[in-house]
Amino acid sequence: DTTVKQNPRYKLARVGKPVNLICSQTMNHDTMYWYQKKPNQAPKLLLFYYDKILNREADTFEKFQSSRPNNSFCSLYIGSAGLEYSAMYLCASSSRRISNERLFFGHGTKLSVL
Amino acid sequence: SQWGEENLQALSIQEGEDVTMNCSYKTYTTVVQWYRQKSGKGPAQLILIRSNEREKRSGRLRATLDTSSQSSSLSITGTLATDTAVYFCATDASSGSWQLIFGSGTQLTVMP
Repeated sequence: DTTVKQNPRYKLARVGKPVNLICSQTMNHDTMYWYQKKPNQAPKLLLFYYDKILNREADTFEKFQSSRPNNSFCSLYIGSAGLEYSAMYLCASSSRRISNERLFFGHGTKLSVL
Repeated sequence: SQWGEENLQALSIQEGEDVTMNCSYKTYTTVVQWYRQKSGKGPAQLILIRSNEREKRSGRLRATLDTSSQSSSLSITGTLATDTAVYFCATDASSGSWQLIFGSGTQLTVMP
C-alpha cells in the first residue's frame, strides 16, 4: 500500500479560528512533509519531520505547527487562520533510510478561510 | 528561490504531438525529479534523473539534466488527452537536504 491519506478533503474555517489537518501513511516512511499550494504556484514546503525531529521553514516558522505522535501520523496546525491561509495543503512522505528521494503525496486538503 | 521561472507556464497542444517542458535552477544539485499533478490529486513522481545520467527514459517520457547550464527538461512523445496535468520539476534545497523544492510548473493541456 503506497497510500498517503489526508483528512478532511475539504475544510472550511473562520478567520481567527484554529485549523487542524491530519495525514497518515502506512509505508513506514521516516520522513513526512507538509506543503502549501496556491493556484498557479508551486507547492511550497512548510515543514517536515524526520522521525521525531521537526524542521520548519524560516518564513513560515511562526504560522504553522505540527506534531507526529507516531511514525504513521502527522498533523498540521494553524492556531489562528487568516484569509491568506486559504490553499491546498499537501502531505507527503519518503524514506531516507533506503535513500529514496521520491515523495509520495496525498490528495490534499483544500482549506477555505472565510 | 531555487528556480528561475516563478510563474506557472501554460502549454496547449493536440493529442499525438510531442512536447518538451523546461526548468532552470539556481543552486547546484545532482538530482532532479519530475512530478505530475492531475486535477484533484496530489503530485506523483514521474521520473528522477541524476547528474551522472544526463538523460533518462521511462515509456513515453524522457528527462535530461545539464548541470553546466543548471537546467532540466521533460519530453513526452505521442501525447494523450490523459497527459493533461501540471508538471513540476523539483530538486533539493541544498545537496542532500531532503527538502524538496518545486519549480512553478507547466500546465499542459492535451486536446483530443
